[in-house]
Amino acid sequence: GAVVSQHPSWVICKSGTSVKIECRSLDFQATTMFWYRQFPKQSLMLMATSNEGSKATYEQGVEKDKFLINHASLTLSTLTVTSAHPEDSSFYICSAPPATGGWETQYFGPGTRLLVL
Amino acid sequence: SQQGEEDPQALSIQEGENATMNCSYKTSINNLQWYRQNSGRGLVHLILIRSNEREKHSGRLRVTLDTSKKSSSLLITASRAADTASYFCATVGAAGNKLTFGGGTRVLVKP
Repeated sequence: GAVVSQHPSWVICKSGTSVKIECRSLDFQATTMFWYRQFPKQSLMLMATSNEGSKATYEQGVEKDKFLINHASLTLSTLTVTSAHPEDSSFYICSAPPATGGWETQYFGPGTRLLVL
Repeated sequence: SQQGEEDPQALSIQEGENATMNCSYKTSINNLQWYRQNSGRGLVHLILIRSNEREKHSGRLRVTLDTSKKSSSLLITASRAADTASYFCATVGAAGNKLTFGGGTRVLVKP
């Protein structure tokens, strides 16, 4: 099946620094990618929809200036957590439906665990 | 926002037993999907059921959908220790443009 990778898988940073997380579709093109956040023992909450060549769409309550999304190519979306604080510590997961076909199938990345000290 | 509520939140069973979990949702859907997540890992797609379908099977998995009650169930038969994971339902709305996840059921299968 199709593969989505994320990098890094783990990141620890100091409060106030920025962290960039990459999401790549390895063997298919994705005009859209989704970014989720998951706190321990909780479900996935959609943060934003990343659109290739245009601005991301953010869910209600998600600060777009804090979570910068760039979808520069058909295989790469990046999420930058700016001025990270301990409350941003979470598991960030991306997903991508293939550009061809409908939205029924989404492939998920393995996730990135962020710990802000 | 979360679309679905899952029940139970946690389930502990012996290997060989069946595991059943339920998902309820609030708005009209295009389809409903079930995913598995092993601890600290990404999600694995298990099965998709469309709004005009009532039941679907895949190996040891059986999914039902009752759109009149806005609910779905996932049955894992003859469970194995390797089935230990969190299971999430996720709905795709009528607009068909994003997944909304339920709260999840943590399943522990004891050998």
